[in-house]
Amino acid sequence: RKEVEQDPGPFNVPEGATVAFNCTYSNSASQSFFWYRQDCRKEPKLLMSVYSSGNEDGRFTAQLNRASQYISLLIRDSKLSDSATYLCVVNNNNDMRFGAGTRLTVKP
Amino acid sequence: EAQVTQNPRYLITVTGKKLTVTCSQNMNHEYMSWYRQDPGLGLRQIYYSMNVEVTDKGDVPEGYKVSRKEKRNFPLILESPSPNQTSLYFCASSLSRMNEQFFGPGTRLTVL
Repeated sequence: RKEVEQDPGPFNVPEGATVAFNCTYSNSASQSFFWYRQDCRKEPKLLMSVYSSGNEDGRFTAQLNRASQYISLLIRDSKLSDSATYLCVVNNNNDMRFGAGTRLTVKP
Repeated sequence: EAQVTQNPRYLITVTGKKLTVTCSQNMNHEYMSWYRQDPGLGLRQIYYSMNVEVTDKGDVPEGYKVSRKEKRNFPLILESPSPNQTSLYFCASSLSRMNEQFFGPGTRLTVL
């Protein structure tokens, strides 16, 4: 079993749709969690950190469920510019683990 | 501007010809890391460095070397590249291992 698993997609959604991604992790000792965004052939960039209480940044909401060992990312009112691959990142004291990414395409 | 730079951005080489990919950051970060990204496998860590003169293996270190003589630089060395090292390579830096990482623009390497 991979340490961090994501549905690879692709998710194809119309503009304005709400889309949710989940990411599961196997190491219960994991301490910090992030969502990164990666555009085609570009470097990953931090989208948002994920806090235990959940956090929101504009149209983006991230949640953490430690009991079930998953994190989620919700995108509301999706825009064409949201098209990208979204990487889940899980960190414990020893390792930073990346999911393989979920590809999102937002269509007009 | 705070950034991580890598050079070269693109490289085509032949099996066995030693090469170095440079990485530099201007944020005074202690932690630096090298990853390779292959389709379907995500980012896999090659080597990391917690500080100057402190380096350690990641998940896929075979065939690679690194050095950290200065805080800002973390070159990746392929002594004898092979075709299975054809990949997209990213250098990253962060304040510490637990913080968000800032990535360089990537180096696309092809080994023939």
